[in-house]
Amino acid sequence: EAQVTQNPRYLITVTGKKLTVTCSQNMNHEYMSWYRQDPGLGLRQIYYSMNVEVTDKGDVPEGYKVSRKEKRNFPLILESPSPNQTSLYFCASSRQGAESYNEQFFGPGTRLTVL
Amino acid sequence: LAKTTQPISMDSYEGQEVNITCSHNNIATNDYITWYQQFPSQGPRFIIQGYKTKVTNEVASLFIPADRKSSTLSLPRVSLSDTAVYYCLVGVHAYSGAGSYQLTFGKGTKLSVIP
Repeated sequence: EAQVTQNPRYLITVTGKKLTVTCSQNMNHEYMSWYRQDPGLGLRQIYYSMNVEVTDKGDVPEGYKVSRKEKRNFPLILESPSPNQTSLYFCASSRQGAESYNEQFFGPGTRLTVL
Repeated sequence: LAKTTQPISMDSYEGQEVNITCSHNNIATNDYITWYQQFPSQGPRFIIQGYKTKVTNEVASLFIPADRKSSTLSLPRVSLSDTAVYYCLVGVHAYSGAGSYQLTFGKGTKLSVIP
């Protein structure tokens, strides 16, 4: 089954404790992306990756890091989480190409709470 | 970067046709327009995509005028199960990197279908 998986699905942590949210897709997609979703603000892109070893900042990259060492994986790293990073996070992937980038396949989401 | 604007919320009775309009004044020549549906606690799901004129699939229609500065998602004869948030998405070729493709979602329109 074609899918995007994220782990963990729920996470409660404390300020300053480094964490990683994993994302994996099995569709051989080139493009991968992370979003955060907050009430009233919709979906905002954090980072995206056009392909292996190629990453770029989205609209809200501060406080986050990413890496793309393999095509299928795109982990999101919070080196020193703060309460304002409490949010619902989505990973997504799509094929490469002008007509394909917008057709994003989303994971189930990770609800993060930073105390 | 292209920004999108959509109504925050809409109400409709079951069986009616619903039209949700998205404004994207700065859309670039090569950008596609895509609409997503999101239910609570789930990731967004691709509904329909278009470049110009009209596109129709089994779920919805998408109308795009000649100037492409707006688009209208049309849901025929909505049912209670269509209650969701609908997002308009326009891709943007980021200025910071050649070939980069940043995605900007609107804040979403919460559609409530009333029995």
